[in-house]
Amino acid sequence: GAGVSQSPSNKVTEKGKDVELRCDPISGHTALYWYRQSLGQGLEFLIYFQGNSAPDKSGLPSDRFSAERTGGSVSTLTIQRTQQEDSAVYLCASSLAGPQGRTYTDTQYFGPGTRLTVL
Amino acid sequence: QKEVEQNSGPLSVPEGAIASLNCTYSDRGSQSFFWYRQYSGKSPELIMFIYSNGDKEDGRFTAQLNKASQYVSLLIRDSQPSDSATYLCAVGLGGSGGGADGLTFGKGTHLIIQP
Repeated sequence: GAGVSQSPSNKVTEKGKDVELRCDPISGHTALYWYRQSLGQGLEFLIYFQGNSAPDKSGLPSDRFSAERTGGSVSTLTIQRTQQEDSAVYLCASSLAGPQGRTYTDTQYFGPGTRLTVL
Repeated sequence: QKEVEQNSGPLSVPEGAIASLNCTYSDRGSQSFFWYRQYSGKSPELIMFIYSNGDKEDGRFTAQLNKASQYVSLLIRDSQPSDSATYLCAVGLGGSGGGADGLTFGKGTHLIIQP
């Protein structure tokens, strides 16, 4: 069981509610990424964590989205006041190191995703 | 803004033939290139990565990179029905101190291998 895990696997919520999605990266991986994939679409980058550094939030679509990573390991993506357009699969990925070294170690391994449905 | 372009397909290939998937990217500073396979309803899984110009072979898969032309391709030899999936091309700056925004993914090419 050394892969990336995510929970819940499915989440159905009502418009306006807050949701929290969890990601547990591969042990020892310092970099963690969140992506969103809407039906029939490609992967949309949301946020990136590298170790204990401040995250790169450049992909977050609105201020309703936030994420944190505690202790450099588990991450939680929070969506406040959910909207129907937030419905998507939220994918988490981790890599041994972020794109800062010179050893090309940024191969990302994906978790199974959380399918979010906002009614 | 970094862009990665792929033909969405579907690309239909008879079983046993070679499937050729192409990807172009806009950022000349890109250093790392990945091909992921995604089955319907599943998360992406890494097939191959390539960093240097030329060909890289792994079993039935060959990745080809041409940085001057800014394209990367994936060849699948002896295509099998189980190869039917969406193939995502991903590009990153990795290894050069940049790319803090993660990989940039194309929208994927839907490949169908006809028995």
